[in-house]
Amino acid sequence: DAGVTQSPTHLIKTRGQQVTLRCSPKSGHDTVSWYQQALGQGPQFIFQYYEEEERQRGNFPDRFSGHQFPNYSSELNVNALLLGDSALYLCASSLEGQGVRNTIYFGEGSWLTVV
Amino acid sequence: SQQGEEDPQALSIQEGENATMNCSYKTSINNLQWYRQNSGRGLVHLILIRSNEREKHSGRLRVTLDTSKKSSSLLITASRAADTASYFCATDARSGANNLFFGTGTRLTVIP
Repeated sequence: DAGVTQSPTHLIKTRGQQVTLRCSPKSGHDTVSWYQQALGQGPQFIFQYYEEEERQRGNFPDRFSGHQFPNYSSELNVNALLLGDSALYLCASSLEGQGVRNTIYFGEGSWLTVV
Repeated sequence: SQQGEEDPQALSIQEGENATMNCSYKTSINNLQWYRQNSGRGLVHLILIRSNEREKHSGRLRVTLDTSKKSSSLLITASRAADTASYFCATDARSGANNLFFGTGTRLTVIP
């Protein structure tokens, strides 16, 4: 049973560039959430996708956008990168109808460094 | 903010000792989940406790929840060097929001 998979694992970008991170949810899950974790901090909720729509959003600017595909996989896009966007980006999957009321599984994350 | 807060921020113990970490939160919840994170890696789910439960066990883990005090504790018994990691509690919102709120974690070091 495949868990949550994310790619790439590490990447380095320059300020002002754009980045796309990818996530495949755990088998059988249909809801994907994205979190940002700065060094030494806990994860912060960015947004959640269900049925290819953004259902909920945290306190992040519009530079952060996403997409969910019919196979439930998801992308996180960040435009006009800032140094402060350097972080571990975590994808989490769950099954709708259960949401946070049951276990939410996380991937290994994508380390983004902005220089 | 509903963010959970873990206490202590860092904990260092000898192998074989028990480790206790605490979490406090601010608003009513449906569930509270504990996660473990090895350095630079993803979050591994440890245990979920529902708001109507008071205690839950899983192997060497024991979690308690006191909704009147808005607090939870995670006990790891007979610790091992491999338990060295950061531990986070994560809460949801009873209002129906579908996201988790994390604290800053407890960094546990188990000395062999």
